[in-house]
Amino acid sequence: DIQMTQSPSSLSASIGDRVTISCRASQSISTYLNWYQCKPGTAPKLLVYATFTLESGVPSRFSASRSGTHFTLNISSLQPEDFATYYCQQSYSLPVTFGPGTKVEIK
Amino acid sequence: EVQLVESGGGLVQPGGSLRLSCAVSGLTFSDHSMAWVRQAPGKGLEWVGRIRDKANSYTTDYGASVTGRFTISRDDSTKSLYLQMTNLRADDTAVYFCVRDYFLVGAVRYFDFWGQGTLVSVSS
Repeated sequence: DIQMTQSPSSLSASIGDRVTISCRASQSISTYLNWYQCKPGTAPKLLVYATFTLESGVPSRFSASRSGTHFTLNISSLQPEDFATYYCQQSYSLPVTFGPGTKVEIK
Repeated sequence: EVQLVESGGGLVQPGGSLRLSCAVSGLTFSDHSMAWVRQAPGKGLEWVGRIRDKANSYTTDYGASVTGRFTISRDDSTKSLYLQMTNLRADDTAVYFCVRDYFLVGAVRYFDFWGQGTLVSVSS
């Protein structure tokens, strides 16, 4: 199985801060990497698919990149609604696997 | 508007069985693979398994932790997805989400629509 790791596991940030979340795959997954945002009591939300592509309706302050097996989700200017837990997920091979999550909290 | 509505969760004893349902509306259900994803209390997301569409022979795949115990099925005529869970264990306690497993091209696939989830608690 492909193992996904994320760092940090949590971070504290202020409104307006730039935030970077990292995700690493245990082997090459090409660009088959998706990002999700999860808030308690609500359905998870797809943010980014195929490494770079923002899902329809996702604000442009979100962006994503890749370098080899290292993937990054960026939030350029953190907004109140962005406080959540973010998960990366690989679709390269079965079983589908998720990273352990990065919780973004209010400083 | 796309809606996925899970039902059937509840409290069950270890070793027991439970069947979850997911009613889907607002999309062409029969054209897509569907999946179940779960989240244990305070934990991350875990893929449970998927069922492909008729064009792909309704084939199913499962995560290692549920293989042999869980079965995913679907009824395209009623736009419903099911998860039959048997021999339940305490570590199956989780919120179970019904999701559309959208296939774009190659290995580009993602979970773009999610239900609100239904809680399964396994305890004596």
